[in-house]
Amino acid sequence: SAVISQKPSRDICQRGTSLTIQCQVDSQVTMMFWYRQQPGQSLTLIATANQGSEATYESGFVIDKFPISRPNLTFSTLTVSNMSPEDSSIYLCSATGGFTEAFFGQGTRLTVV
Amino acid sequence: AQTVTQSQPEMSVQEAETVTLSCTYDTSESDYYLFWYKQPPSRQMILVIRQEAYKQQNATENRFSVNFQKAAKSFSLKISDSQLGDAAMYFCAYRRARSYGQNFVFGPGTRLSVLP
Repeated sequence: SAVISQKPSRDICQRGTSLTIQCQVDSQVTMMFWYRQQPGQSLTLIATANQGSEATYESGFVIDKFPISRPNLTFSTLTVSNMSPEDSSIYLCSATGGFTEAFFGQGTRLTVV
Repeated sequence: AQTVTQSQPEMSVQEAETVTLSCTYDTSESDYYLFWYKQPPSRQMILVIRQEAYKQQNATENRFSVNFQKAAKSFSLKISDSQLGDAAMYFCAYRRARSYGQNFVFGPGTRLSVLP
């Protein structure tokens, strides 16, 4: 199994600013994923992050808005740029490796005012 | 593309009783994995149970068991002796096998309430 530490757990940000969310995994993992989740709803995949290559973004998500870094096999960041109230959501990171299942961080609840 | 459907947006159960959450999926693959994840108000997604499609035997984990019907593409979760701590959102998820790069497909979720 893998344990993922995600921070911050929550934040309130001013519109127009940026927030970087960090995820640290306690073991090396192949793939990391970033999701957005509106309260009470399912997970929407933002992008997939491989170490040493550009992240792959899903339809509706662009790198300029959600830049992702994956500098090594245990760490990744997601930045939410130029935030607006529509970006208020829960952001989750996830990881897989030699595992069948995915493991998740604790989530970041973002409120943009 | 694979899809996962959970037809029960909300369910409730009395403490100590049994409840079954439904999940159906659509795929053309023959080898895959199915999961149930639990998300309590703390937001942490917790793996409840996993089923490999090639296994005919239904997975069980303590009070949690599944009814996997591959031909019907059905994957229900049974929670026995429900406890207050079981209250959460439950997500059914699919993943294609032998593909580390394959992300998960999640259902819309079922909110389970446990009544004392």
